[in-house]
Formats: sequence, structure tokens, C-alpha cells
Amino acid sequence: GQNIDQPTEMTATEGAIVQINCTYQTSGFNGLFWYQQHAGEAPTFLSYNVLDGLEEKGRFSSFLSRSKGYSYLLLKELQMKDSASYLCAVSDNYGQNFVFGPGTRLSVLP
Amino acid sequence: DTAVSQTPKYLVTQMGNDKSIKCEQNLGHDTMYWYKQDSKKFLKIMFSYNNKELIINETVPNRFSPKSPDKAHLNLHINSLELGDSAVYFCASSQTSGSIQETQYFGPGTRLLVL
Repeated sequence: GQNIDQPTEMTATEGAIVQINCTYQTSGFNGLFWYQQHAGEAPTFLSYNVLDGLEEKGRFSSFLSRSKGYSYLLLKELQMKDSASYLCAVSDNYGQNFVFGPGTRLSVLP
Repeated sequence: DTAVSQTPKYLVTQMGNDKSIKCEQNLGHDTMYWYKQDSKKFLKIMFSYNNKELIINETVPNRFSPKSPDKAHLNLHINSLELGDSAVYFCASSQTSGSIQETQYFGPGTRLLVL
């Protein structure tokens, strides 16, 4: 079966660092994606991991451990505009099945 | 230039009607998808098309039918609309290169409200 789990909501302060965790159990694994979705808008791509380790992209980093079925998204120097939902998604078989987690709603407070 | 476009952006209709949502991508991708995002914001895949072949069909009622006239288009036709069909429908596209699933690019969404 397919199961992806993320915390429902998180709150952090402007300028701080926040880590959003994602655990997954899928029938195959072909990559893990993180997307950002602002209210009323489409999801936009943030990062992609297919091998274990850390991928860094400016203020955003994503980590993957395939043996643990675990990933996290790290956001540094938080800004108010980072308030959004963050979606973890797994591609489980040559892109033929793309499963999204429930999303984590992040609120950044001044 | 818009990469993935959908029309209409908003759709308000009566129960029992038939409606279509259009999607076009100009990225040259070989796979297109339809997702439904309900009021709880859960994004669920409905269909995907790769080179004009349906390769995923989740447990979606057969009132929903995807139609792909060519690689750049994947339209969604819905028959006999029901109240529970109210949601945001997103189209997306990606390129599959061998065993690597490349990132999906999403359209702006179509907000469907069934009255």
C-alpha cells in the first residue's frame, strides 16, 4: 500500500529555522519531491531527492534516508512569505504512481 | 509563457450537468496528470497519460473520463456532476526519462462548485 505521513500544522518565528518531516511507505521508490502550495494557488516544486543525503537549494534543503523511509525539508531564515502548505510526494514506479502526503501547513509569525 | 494552462479557472454548475475542463502544456513533456484537491487540501491523483495511453486510473468514478487528443493536451470530462465533485482540479505534466521521474509542473487549477 501507499502511505505518506506529515505533521498537519507547524508554527515558527520569522528568521528561525524549521524542519518538516515526512515518512513514507510505498510499494516502490523512484524519488521524493517537496512542493510548496500557497492558499488558493497551485503546488510549486521545491526539491527532489532520489539518493540518500542532503540536497541544498538556497534557504531550502531536503534530506532523504531510503532505508528509513524518511525525509525532511529544512527552511532557514524564515520569511513571512514562507507561510504555506508543504507537500511531500513520492514517485513509486517509473513515474506511474505519484502519491502526495496530506501536507504540512506552516505559519510564520513575526 | 504559461507552461501548464487550464480552462476554465472557475466553474459553477448544477448537479446532473456534464462539464469539461481543458489542459494544455507547452513543455514538451510526455506525461500529463489530473489531480483532485478537496476541501481538506488532500491532493489525490486521478489519472495520468503517457504518450496517449492511460497508465493510472485510481478509484475514480467512471463519470470522469480523461481525453488526450495529443501529447500536449489532457482534458477531463465529467458526466452527471454530483455535489461531492466540488473541489479544485489540477492538471500537471512531467517528463519521464528512463527510470527517473522528473518533477511535475502544475496548472493554476480549476475551482469546481456543484450546486
